[in-house]
This record gives sequence, structure tokens and C-alpha cells, in this order.
Amino acid sequence: SQWGEENLQALSIQEGEDVTMNCSYKTYTTVVHWYRQDSGRGPALIILIRSNEREKRSGRLRATLDTSSQSSSLSITAAQCEDTAVYFCATEGTQVVGQLTFGSGTRLQVYA
Amino acid sequence: GGIITQTPKFLIGQEGQKLTLKCQQNFNHDTMYWYRQDSGKGLRLIYYSITENDLQKGDLSEGYDASREKKSSFSLTVTSAQKNEMAVFLCASSMGTGGAYAEQFFGPGTRLTVL
Repeated sequence: SQWGEENLQALSIQEGEDVTMNCSYKTYTTVVHWYRQDSGRGPALIILIRSNEREKRSGRLRATLDTSSQSSSLSITAAQCEDTAVYFCATEGTQVVGQLTFGSGTRLQVYA
Repeated sequence: GGIITQTPKFLIGQEGQKLTLKCQQNFNHDTMYWYRQDSGKGLRLIYYSITENDLQKGDLSEGYDASREKKSSFSLTVTSAQKNEMAVFLCASSMGTGGAYAEQFFGPGTRLTVL
């Protein structure tokens, strides 16, 4: 699971496998963003889930959110080599509109 | 669509030197951000600005200054570069009003090296 000052986690899987990345956050939020960062680039939003959704799907991506346990997950079905990237979760602050707090990230390597 | 441009892409400075990083966006977004990303770590917020001439400190503002000269540009100054702050500095912008409008769009980053 990723958060803040903790070191980046690493996962390595083969093409075609399913993978789940977890995120435990420390402060209350109603929205979790999942960003993907390719090498040498800035992060880009891939999926956003709100507290009233519990589960959100986008193509091969599936995000879940459990506000009672303050955790979220991102799953990728049938991973492809092009899914290789660092994945971050980010939570919206309740005091400052629009401000995000990012987790430490999970580095996913998908091998052919 | 829009784009965020950061200059320079690579910045090399001497310890104690004052260094400036620049960011431009053409999304017409109100809110802009500066983050620092250390190797193997997450993003930490240095400064953000919700409108032209506004500045708000993030968790990591000590040792940095920022300037929002106009809506489209946001600069970050390292006031006295230190070797332990070698990192990638990321600029981002958003519409800034929460929910989907909080989506942040990032530039490619400036990699800082301190000699």
C-alpha cells in the first residue's frame, strides 16, 4: 500500500496477468484520483472515483473506494507491456478546494 | 486540449545558488501548482496559486519562493540550492473547484542537479 513519505513500491508481472494496487490514505476524502506516470513525463489522470460509487470501471481499469477503511484500489485486467508505469493515488482535501495529496506510488513493470 | 510547458528541462546549479524554474499553461486554468518529486517517492506540494497574484504555501515551501505573474504562468525559485534537494520539479494546473474539476494536468518536469 502506498502513502506520502513512504518509498515507492514495486510490482512485476507477466503480460496477460491481472494486478491490483492498493492505497491507504490518512485523512478523510470523498474522492480518490488515480494517476499514471510514464518515464520522463508528468502524471496523468486515468480514473477518478467518488465515495458514492464504491467501484468505477474504465476499459481494463477498475477502481474501488472504501471510505470506512480509508482505502482505495486500482486493478488492471490482462495487463499489457504498455501498462508499465508508476501509479499514484491522490486524495482531495476537504479544507482546500482542488488540492490533492499524493501517495508514494507503485511502480508496475509488465514483462512480455 | 491544452499543454503545460516547463523550462528548462534540465537545470544544473551550484550549491547556494538562486535558481528559477518556469511554467506556462494554455488551458486557461485558474489554479497552478508546484510539486517536488524525489527519486522513489511521491509528489510533495511546494506552492500553489488559485488565481493571478495569489500564492499559498504547501507542505514543502521552506527554501522556495513562487510568483504567479499572470494567469498562464507560475514560477518557482530555489532561494539557495542544496545538494539534498536534487529532484524533479513538476508544475500542474487545474480548474480547481473540486471533484472532476480538481483533475490536475502536469508538465513534463524540470530535473534539478546541484553540484
